[in-house]
Amino acid sequence: AQSVTQLDSQVPVFEEAPVELRCNYSSSVSVYLFWYVQYPNQGLQLLLKYLSGSTLVESINGFEAEFNKSQTSFHLRKPSVHISDTAEYFCAVTRVGGYNKLIFGAGTRLAVHP
Amino acid sequence: GAGVSQSPSNKVTEKGKDVELRCDPISGHTALYWYRQSLGQGLEFLIYFQGNSAPDKSGLPSDRFSAERTGGSVSTLTIQRTQQEDSAVYLCASSLAPTGGQQFFGPGTRLTVL
Repeated sequence: AQSVTQLDSQVPVFEEAPVELRCNYSSSVSVYLFWYVQYPNQGLQLLLKYLSGSTLVESINGFEAEFNKSQTSFHLRKPSVHISDTAEYFCAVTRVGGYNKLIFGAGTRLAVHP
Repeated sequence: GAGVSQSPSNKVTEKGKDVELRCDPISGHTALYWYRQSLGQGLEFLIYFQGNSAPDKSGLPSDRFSAERTGGSVSTLTIQRTQQEDSAVYLCASSLAPTGGQQFFGPGTRLTVL
């Protein structure tokens, strides 16, 4: 079985500051990793994913995440946040080779302040 | 339609009543998932459909919950004899491929059981 731990339930940060949202997972088999974002009053959207290849993956809006197999982590980072990044961020995993039933972390609420 | 749609967007019901929640996946997507998002439990997998295969019902919390998918497209999640702990946002997602494929989420149905 897989599990996901998001170490911070809330992260307040000032606009233009860097941010890191932490995600650790546990699995006895190989996994795919995902970050989903949920903006206020909106549905879940895929932010980025790691399936294979380069361990550093990027999104179109400046976020990046690095898969670290030895530390079983997939932390999300952005060098400079905007007010519009305020949202809840969910880390998720699914087993490689199986269908992608997603196992989610509890979520991290990112609040960007002016 | 371009995305996954769900209806109703909001449902308020009395304890003990039955409810039906509907999901229209993206056309051509063979995989369909139901998840539940609640304050106490976060995002939980409920059930998965893939083509004509038997569904994976391993996430359904009790036998009051059931789901079907007709014609490989529209899906209905039914909750019988609703309880207050069933109050949550029920999310539907679909994907083109069952493994590693991006899941596209609908806006959800917010269920409130009084």
